[in-house]
Amino acid sequence: KNEVEQSPQNLTAQEGEFITINCSYSVGISALHWLQQHPGGGIVSLFMLSSGKKKHGRLIATINIQEKHSSLHITASHPRDSAVYICAVRGGAQKLVFGQGTRLTINP
Amino acid sequence: NAGVTQTPKFRILKIGQSMTLQCTQDMNHNYMYWYRQDPGMGLKLIYYSVGAGITDKGEVPNGYNVSRSTTEDFPLRLELAAPSQTSVYFCASLHEGGAYEQYFGPGTRLTVT
Repeated sequence: KNEVEQSPQNLTAQEGEFITINCSYSVGISALHWLQQHPGGGIVSLFMLSSGKKKHGRLIATINIQEKHSSLHITASHPRDSAVYICAVRGGAQKLVFGQGTRLTINP
Repeated sequence: NAGVTQTPKFRILKIGQSMTLQCTQDMNHNYMYWYRQDPGMGLKLIYYSVGAGITDKGEVPNGYNVSRSTTEDFPLRLELAAPSQTSVYFCASLHEGGAYEQYFGPGTRLTVT
C-alpha cells in the first residue's frame, strides 16, 4: 500500500462543476502539499497545509490531521483547470512523498 | 531570478552510455532534490542534498550518483544507462526556514534504448 493515496485517479467534469480530489496518507507528516502539473510537464506548488483550510482564488484545500486526510476543491471549474493534481506529504529532511496524481479534465 | 533550471530538456541514450543531468538554482536554497516520474506513477526521490558537500540517498538511488560542490548546482549522473531509467527527471529546491515550498525545474525527458 502506498503511503499517499489519491482518489479519483481520473476525473472528467463539465465546465462550472464543483471538483473534489481526495488524499489519504498513512505516515506522520509535518505538512501536506498540493501541486499542479500541466500538460507541458511543469510542476507548481498550489498549497502547503499543516492544519485547517487555505483558499486561493477558486481553489480550496483542507486537511484533517487526526483522520490523515486532505481534500482539494475547485469551484466553478474551467477548462484551464485541466491538469494533474498531486498530493505530497512532507517528512524528515523536508523530503516529499508523492501520491500518484489525479488527472482532471474539464470539458467546455 | 531564473528559479530552477535543468538541461537538457530531452535526451536519447543508448544502453550503457553515461550522461549528466544538470540542475542549477539561483535562489540560494540549501535543500535540493532529484526526482523521477514514470508514467502513471508518483514522483520518486532519487537523491537529495541539505547543503553544499552533503548528499544522501532517496527512495530509488540505484544507477545514479550526485554531487553538490556549490549551493547552486546539483548534477545527477547516470552511469551505464538502462531502459529502466527511461523517465522524466525533475530537480527541485527549497530554503529551510522559509515557506518550505519546493520549486521545481521544467524536467528532463530521458529515453534509453
